[in-house]
Amino acid sequence: AQSVSQHNHHVILSEAASLELGCNYSYGGTVNLFWYVQYPGQHLQLLLKYFSGDPLVKGIKGFEAEFIKSKFSFNLRKPSVQWSDTAEYFCAVNRNSGNTPLVFGKGTRLSVIA
Amino acid sequence: EPEVTQTPSHQVTQMGQEVILRCVPISNHLYFYWYRQILGQKVEFLVSFYNNEISEKSEIFDDQFSVERPDGSNFTLKIRSTKLEDSAMYFCASTLQPYGYTFGSGTRLTVV
Repeated sequence: AQSVSQHNHHVILSEAASLELGCNYSYGGTVNLFWYVQYPGQHLQLLLKYFSGDPLVKGIKGFEAEFIKSKFSFNLRKPSVQWSDTAEYFCAVNRNSGNTPLVFGKGTRLSVIA
Repeated sequence: EPEVTQTPSHQVTQMGQEVILRCVPISNHLYFYWYRQILGQKVEFLVSFYNNEISEKSEIFDDQFSVERPDGSNFTLKIRSTKLEDSAMYFCASTLQPYGYTFGSGTRLTVV
């Protein structure tokens, strides 16, 4: 069975600091990878996704993620965070074959302070 | 931009009661899902639905749960006899292809 690990439960950063959130998955086959963001009281929004091709994926709001197949990782990065990035971030994966459900990590709460 | 709509946004019910959570997926989407998120925990898959039948379900989705697409637009999740541990945020999602999900804003279910 697939699983997704997010190493950091809660990350606190000052505005303008750089961000990297770790995500590792366990599955030997071909996968699709996603990062979702959940702002307080809101629904899950897709930040970015990787299906194939360039392993460096750029998403919305200045976020990017790099797929490193040899490390089974898909870490999320942003060079300079803003207070408005305060949210919960979820990494998710599904098998790249047919209608397979997303498996989510436990999430990382990001708090950005002024 | 098309949205997945969920109603109600918050439902409070007594233990043992039946609840129906409603979702209106994006109109041309073909795959439909329910996920839940217990407070402070990760988002968990419940069930996927395609071509008018369940295509996959998790261990959470036991006999107390059922899904229906009664009229071609709504996609409902029914919990027959709610338990305290069913309290969670329930998210509906839909997609045209089997990835690239669009999630609704969720229904917070509180069982008392």
